[in-house]
Amino acid sequence: DAKTTQPPSMDCAEGRAANLPCNHSTISGNEYVYWYRQIHSQGPQYIIHGLKNNETNEMASLIITEDRKSSTLILPHATLRDTAVYYCIVNAGNMLTFGGGTRLMVKP
Amino acid sequence: NAGVTQTPKFRILKIGQSMTLQCTQDMNHNYMYWYRQDPGMGLKLIYYSVGAGITDKGEVPNGYNVSRSTTEDFPLRLELAAPSQTSVYFCASTNRDPTHRYNSPLHFGNGTRLTVT
Repeated sequence: DAKTTQPPSMDCAEGRAANLPCNHSTISGNEYVYWYRQIHSQGPQYIIHGLKNNETNEMASLIITEDRKSSTLILPHATLRDTAVYYCIVNAGNMLTFGGGTRLMVKP
Repeated sequence: NAGVTQTPKFRILKIGQSMTLQCTQDMNHNYMYWYRQDPGMGLKLIYYSVGAGITDKGEVPNGYNVSRSTTEDFPLRLELAAPSQTSVYFCASTNRDPTHRYNSPLHFGNGTRLTVT
């Protein structure tokens, strides 16, 4: 299963778009990209997933590059409540493992 | 649906004691997982199960045991608690058809905060 690389932390101004990158250069052709977030010490919460095409839902947008080696999660208008750790995982097998994630701090 | 329920929410153990962390889900999910999260760190997979009667080791299984006698329940057992097992433990579940590469999203419980002193 492919591993992911994310920056450990990012800042974003409230009301601005937050763009969180994820590198998954060893992804195989049929592996999906998933994003979760963890607010404070709660259980992680699913945000969005994708395979090849860009995806959008009520929470976020997911942009996957054409070669599928990287992706970006976009929170279009970040609020203070979006402050959290964001995890990108690429895993189509039984063992669903998480990396260290990106700690996003949304500032007023 | 209650989703994934974990008990207890908090527990303090003395070194060498044993305990079972309970996890139950009411979504009829076939796959269940146990993770631990140390302060300021990401989640590490301890054990997982792809169905009743089937369990397998994750990244950090030492010091833990699991069983899956029913679809709903996936308890995690600590036999001889050590300070290194101080952590927050999360249980998660999902429905998956193993013939497909897509995993439906994980549903997580609210965690059990364990301190071993």
